[in-house]
Amino acid sequence: GAGVSQSPRYKVTKRGQDVALRCDPISGHVSLYWYRQALGQGPEFLTYFNYEAQQDKSGLPNDRFSAERPEGSISTLTIQRTEQRDSAMYRCASSPRPSGSINGELFFGEGSRLTVL
Amino acid sequence: KQEVTQIPAALSVPEGENLVLNCSFTDSAIYNLQWFRQDPGKGLTSLLLIQSSQREQTSGRLNASLDKSSGRSTLYIAASQPGDSATYLCAVRTDTGFQKLVFGTGTRLLVSP
Repeated sequence: GAGVSQSPRYKVTKRGQDVALRCDPISGHVSLYWYRQALGQGPEFLTYFNYEAQQDKSGLPNDRFSAERPEGSISTLTIQRTEQRDSAMYRCASSPRPSGSINGELFFGEGSRLTVL
Repeated sequence: KQEVTQIPAALSVPEGENLVLNCSFTDSAIYNLQWFRQDPGKGLTSLLLIQSSQREQTSGRLNASLDKSSGRSTLYIAASQPGDSATYLCAVRTDTGFQKLVFGTGTRLLVSP
């Protein structure tokens, strides 16, 4: 596609429910990143993939958070047993270059805003 | 731990003014620095990317400078327009292994007609 596409754009859920957020990167982009942005803050790194391999998940807050990218394209970020503190904008970004390339630039999607009641 | 600070947190100027946004980072061992624009309900738009070996980058009315040794970057916007109103974020990349960016909290800019 022309840009990074995320869905849903807005998600309201009740505490304890599971949610799945989807990211469709720019076609051909090798690396895919997930960030979380709280209101009034800058984005914070969660995890990233090179192709289908999850290279680093050190930013995931706890084991309720998981991500996958099974075919090296679309990625899903899943949050189990959601809590109110999970409310934030979840942003996906992709890069045309492998993560080891210093010159790579990140292209962000519009984000998925999650509200946990 | 790398920390990125942006000053001011908010800025309001009349149309036509030249302005400077500041970004500072605590660890000078960076590989690049990127300025983004964030509009409400929209994604982050990359404005300028400066490699650690570069001193500045220019795009149209925007000029970003980097002083790696002092841990500072500035984004200069010439002849500001109401359409420039947005939140501006700077982010540094500190790792060769992957593009983990450390973001500042942003400067919210309002340009009045």
